[in-house]
Amino acid sequence: DAGVTQSPTHLIKTRGQQVTLRCSPKSGHDTVSWYQQALGQGPQFIFQYYEEEERQRGNFPDRFSGHQFPNYSSELNVNALLLGDSALYLCASSSLARAGDTQYFGPGTRLTVL
Amino acid sequence: GQNIDQPTEMTATEGAIVQINCTYQTSGFNGLFWYQQHAGEAPTFLSYNVLDGLEEKGRFSSFLSRSKGYSYLLLKELQMKDSASYLCAVPMDSNYQLIWGAGTKLIIKP
Repeated sequence: DAGVTQSPTHLIKTRGQQVTLRCSPKSGHDTVSWYQQALGQGPQFIFQYYEEEERQRGNFPDRFSGHQFPNYSSELNVNALLLGDSALYLCASSSLARAGDTQYFGPGTRLTVL
Repeated sequence: GQNIDQPTEMTATEGAIVQINCTYQTSGFNGLFWYQQHAGEAPTFLSYNVLDGLEEKGRFSSFLSRSKGYSYLLLKELQMKDSASYLCAVPMDSNYQLIWGAGTKLIIKP
């Protein structure tokens, strides 16, 4: 049973560029959440997708956008990259968008903005 | 508002027992999660408590007191591989997002 997968593993971009990160949820899961984790900090919630719609959004600017496809996989897009966007981006999947549902994380994408 | 506090760093000896505390303030309560995260890796699920009391799972146990807004993770028979950050997280009251503590970095010494 494949777990949550993310691509790419690492990415280097320059300020002002755009980036797309991808996530495939664990088999049987239909909900995908995206997090940003700076070094030494806990993950910060970006948004959650369920039934191809953004269900909930954290305190992130509109430069951060996403999409969920019919097969439940998801993309995170970040436009006009800033140095402060350098972080580990984590995707988590769950079987139902309930408050107490356990989320399982992918290995993450390490984004470095120069 | 929502707030979660954990100690920044703890040190323990191989074979010993360590307790990692987490206090939270939330307007509602939908349970509390503990995750383990090794450096440079993704968090992995350890436990979920929604009722008061102690839940044991092998060498790891998690305790919850809802009236005190308090939880702890207890690690027994510490091994070097337990060196990691331990994060507690709570779902927001009527939302689906998790609010995370900054994590407790646990250092295990021989």
